[in-house]
Amino acid sequence: NAGVTQTPKFQVLKTGQSMTLQCAQDMNHNSMYWYRQDPGMGLRLIYYSASEGTTDKGEVPNGYNVSRLNKREFSLRLESAAPSQTSVYFCASTEHLNTEAFFGQGTRLTVV
Amino acid sequence: AQKVTQAQTEISVVEKEDVTLDCVYETRDTTYYLFWYKQPPSGELVFLIRRNSFDEQNEISGRYSWNFQKSTSSFNFTITASQVVDSAVYFCALRELTQGAQKLVFGQGTRLTINP
Repeated sequence: NAGVTQTPKFQVLKTGQSMTLQCAQDMNHNSMYWYRQDPGMGLRLIYYSASEGTTDKGEVPNGYNVSRLNKREFSLRLESAAPSQTSVYFCASTEHLNTEAFFGQGTRLTVV
Repeated sequence: AQKVTQAQTEISVVEKEDVTLDCVYETRDTTYYLFWYKQPPSGELVFLIRRNSFDEQNEISGRYSWNFQKSTSSFNFTITASQVVDSAVYFCALRELTQGAQKLVFGQGTRLTINP
């Protein structure tokens, strides 16, 4: 009964380093999403995948890439981390168009 | 464009008081969904309620109630007899349906502190 699992939970990067945030869901959901949460700004959508094999940009895609590896997994990559990407990142999934989103526990990323 | 505004950045009340969190939204869609999520200090996002635009009946779940008013584009959340465990950040969100996926547009969040 894991739901949406994100790894890692915490990460510190130096400016210019790269890393990949992993997300997996075991609910057989079609759609998956990556959001970032910054103080005073709520959550903002970075990228989403409506179904396996498709990905699209959200509100704040610059500096990120994504891969929908299969129906279960959706990864977020930072190719060259910048301090502005310091944030808490949430992965989410949805089953149908009218159901709620299920969120992972979040990844707290600090870029120094 | 879709927009959600939670004008109250922080609210602090004493335990057992009632408290209302405001949410105002903007959308051009005739059919839409609104959500409330709770983010306790542990950081996860907990789903509280989903409401579609066809159903304007108020909803009550224990100490929680929601007032949906299309005329004022508001979807307010009231906690009755608040408890310390209600301390959290609360987010209101609007669903934007795009290319088979439902993207959520979130408000800025309201940090609620319940003092003993």
